[in-house]
Amino acid sequence: ETGVTQTPRHLVMGMTNKKSLKCEQHLGHNAMYWYKQSAKKPLELMFVYSLEERVENNSVPSRFSPECPNSSHLFLHLHTLQPEDSALYLCASSQEYGSVFSSGANVLTFGAGSRLTVL
Amino acid sequence: GEDVEQSLFLSVREGDSSVINCTYTDSSSTYLYWYKQEPGAGLQLLTYIFSNMDMKQDQRLTVLLNKKDKHLSLRIADTQTGDSAIYFCAEKVNKIIFGKGTRLHILP
Repeated sequence: ETGVTQTPRHLVMGMTNKKSLKCEQHLGHNAMYWYKQSAKKPLELMFVYSLEERVENNSVPSRFSPECPNSSHLFLHLHTLQPEDSALYLCASSQEYGSVFSSGANVLTFGAGSRLTVL
Repeated sequence: GEDVEQSLFLSVREGDSSVINCTYTDSSSTYLYWYKQEPGAGLQLLTYIFSNMDMKQDQRLTVLLNKKDKHLSLRIADTQTGDSAIYFCAEKVNKIIFGKGTRLHILP
């Protein structure tokens, strides 16, 4: 497989469930990202990992817990979610982490997303 | 502050040119991007432009950058039904900031 692969593509869960979203990249990239895409809102950056170290955590509720066991895999663990957490969760990767110290274009490659519905 | 604004909808007749506009607020942007999202898919990079350029052309796509007005546009020549998608403008400051996306609808 090539590119960025996300599983599951669709997930329906109750507020008391615990589930995980998985992302895998086959591009040899060093940075991985979780974004939340809700209707009529800008893409919200949730977490960034660079070389398996979390470098950004943008005020995301603790009911979302990321994990990056190696540079190719990224997980988002979900527990006690709320209905407003229903959204498309997009994983992305880039060659390097695009901070202010990075002079490159930092092109992001996205997965197809995991559509989450919280009942 | 960091903000990227774009209109939410655009309708264009097949064969015409589409022009999608975007404004941004941070003058220290180094790169500006256009991403495309088709139904049921993630975002796909279409093109990007370095901030010291004012135009970039790639086949049917033309990107124009007006740094003074902080305005970016994407022109799609000879619009086809396959161009129907959501187009996201983004800027790189210390991270990538995305707009809300413009949904392009193609009329027959």
